[in-house]
Order: sequence, then C-alpha cells, then structure tokens
Amino acid sequence: EPEVTQTPSHQVTQMGQEVILRCVPISNHLYFYWYRQILGQKVEFLVSFYNNEISEKSEIFDDQFSVERPDGSNFTLKIRSTKLEDSAMYFCASSDRTANEKLFFGSGTQLSVL
Amino acid sequence: SQKIEQNSEALNIQEGKTATLTCNYTNYSPAYLQWYRQDPGRGPVFLLLIRENEKEKRKERLKVTFDTTLKQSLFHITASQPADSATYLCALVPSGGYNKLIFGAGTRLAVHP
Repeated sequence: EPEVTQTPSHQVTQMGQEVILRCVPISNHLYFYWYRQILGQKVEFLVSFYNNEISEKSEIFDDQFSVERPDGSNFTLKIRSTKLEDSAMYFCASSDRTANEKLFFGSGTQLSVL
Repeated sequence: SQKIEQNSEALNIQEGKTATLTCNYTNYSPAYLQWYRQDPGRGPVFLLLIRENEKEKRKERLKVTFDTTLKQSLFHITASQPADSATYLCALVPSGGYNKLIFGAGTRLAVHP
C-alpha cells in the first residue's frame, strides 16, 4: 500500500536554529497536512495545504513556521528560531480529498530542541 | 468553547470481550466523524469514517455509531484481541472548515489475555 514517508525520523537541534522537516506524500494526493504531538498530549493540527497554498492553519502555526511544496513530490515544514517548546513529534499527512475524508499519516519526525 | 472529549484514561478489558469507546463533542456540527488507531511512536492510522446521515458503520470487528442529537460517537471492537491494544482517536472537521481535521485526546485500550 502506498505510504507517506518522512525524513529524518529524529532531529536534534539547538535552540534558535532553523530546521526543515521533509515529507513525501502519496503520489496522487492533493491535500497535505502537518500535525504535531507533544509527548503524552493529543495530535494537534498545524496547517493544511492545497493547490500550492495554505488552506487552513491553527493558532500554533505562527510566523515561526512555513510550509512549501518545492517540487512535485516533497512537502516541507520549516521551523525558524526553534524553541524548547517546539520539541514534539511532527506528522505529515496527505489525502486525495479534503480532511473530511481519510488521512494517511507518516511515521513522524521526532524533533528535540536542546 | 469547542471540545472533543474521549476517555483519556486507559480502558482495560479481557480478551474476547467487546470494547466500547466514547467520543463526545461540544459546539461542533460535523458532517463526518473519523476514528483512527495510534500505536506508540507511530502516526495515526485511519479505521472508519461515518457521515451524519449514517447511524452505524461496520468493518470486520469494528462498529461505529454517530448520534448527532447526543453529539456522540461510540466505537466498538468485538471479540477483542491483545493486538487491538493501542490508543484510539476520534476526529472531526469543524463546520465552516473543510480542510482541518481535529483530534480528540484519545482513549488507550489495553486488552489482556
């Protein structure tokens, strides 16, 4: 079965540094998402992306964050000037319709900010 | 305020029994409600989707109900097995938002042999 792949699986960075988390969504999907999960907490919506632009974003997704689809296969989340509280598991997801339908999630990138 | 509430405490049941998990929502009017399974350190995996005009949906040993009057969905696993042990998440798209799936905190299910 097709799957969403995320790299790296683990990322350690120093506070204040910039990180880029990478995702390859399922090839015929049109809708892309980033979620995060702080240890022991719920899966939180960050942003959705369709037709090369952000369709919805949460309050968490402020100017520190940005997303990009640089080519036909990758979808990236950039976090500028990382903070300790950005430490979390970040999940990418994709779907062939809107979020009302089934989302396929990747295995996540565990980000640790020291 | 808007809330999705699930039993965030663990549900422990004996193998072979039916597990029933609850999802209640407040100040949402979703047209769809979804259930996902999450194993530790992994991404959520889609299980079932139910629409507001459907009362019940089944898939193998899984059954979901959706009561828009009570603002509640129930998720049942019949003939439970230790392999069903995981966290189960309910999720919905808020009305007025078409591309933003919001998750509850999940219920951790432990099935004991």
